Amino acid sequence: KAGVTQTPRYLIKTRGQQVTLSCSPISGHRSVSWYQQTPGQGLQFLFEYFSETQRNKGNFPGRFSGRQFSNSRSEMNVSTLELGDSALYLCASSLGGVTGELFFGEGSRLTVL
Amino acid sequence: QKEVEQDPGPLSVPEGAIVSLNCTYSNSAFQYFMWYRQYSRKGPELLMYTYSSGNKEDGRFTAQVDKSSKYISLFIRDSQPSDSATYLCAHPNTGNQFYFGTGTSLTVIP
Repeated sequence: KAGVTQTPRYLIKTRGQQVTLSCSPISGHRSVSWYQQTPGQGLQFLFEYFSETQRNKGNFPGRFSGRQFSNSRSEMNVSTLELGDSALYLCASSLGGVTGELFFGEGSRLTVL
Repeated sequence: QKEVEQDPGPLSVPEGAIVSLNCTYSNSAFQYFMWYRQYSRKGPELLMYTYSSGNKEDGRFTAQVDKSSKYISLFIRDSQPSDSATYLCAHPNTGNQFYFGTGTSLTVIP
């Protein structure tokens, strides 16, 4: 069974640009969550989508957005990039239960110059 | 105060040592806890989960929850170089939102 696939794995952008990251969940998983990981803050929850609906949202500015498609694939977008957005962005899929295990991808490492 | 706090380390031990990794949590209503392991350049993977108080053992790993002190621990017996990774404690919130500790980096020296 294929795992969670994230693309691109690495990318470099400059301040003010925007970026779109993609996530393909494990087949059959309807929940996709996004996390930002930085050395100082650890993993911080961005948002979760379940059956194309945003079910929960973390405490991030509106520059961070996402969506989920009918095939459960998800994208997240960051507009007007800032230096502080440099991080590893992790996507996780699950069956969607309350305490369901999260299956993470390898992440997309974003560097903002 | 963060919902889950974790000593970031780093922690370096010789092979065969017993390792203790610890977290504290703020909300006494939390009952379900998880430990994730993250190897370098990889995403986290679930190592163990435990519910409420007490111990849970899985091979060389033991997860322990002390609700009276709001303390979560992971013990690794007979540590191996392959255990070198970052260990993250976590608690699920609503809607599949998880609170994670910042992670403890562990290196096991052969």
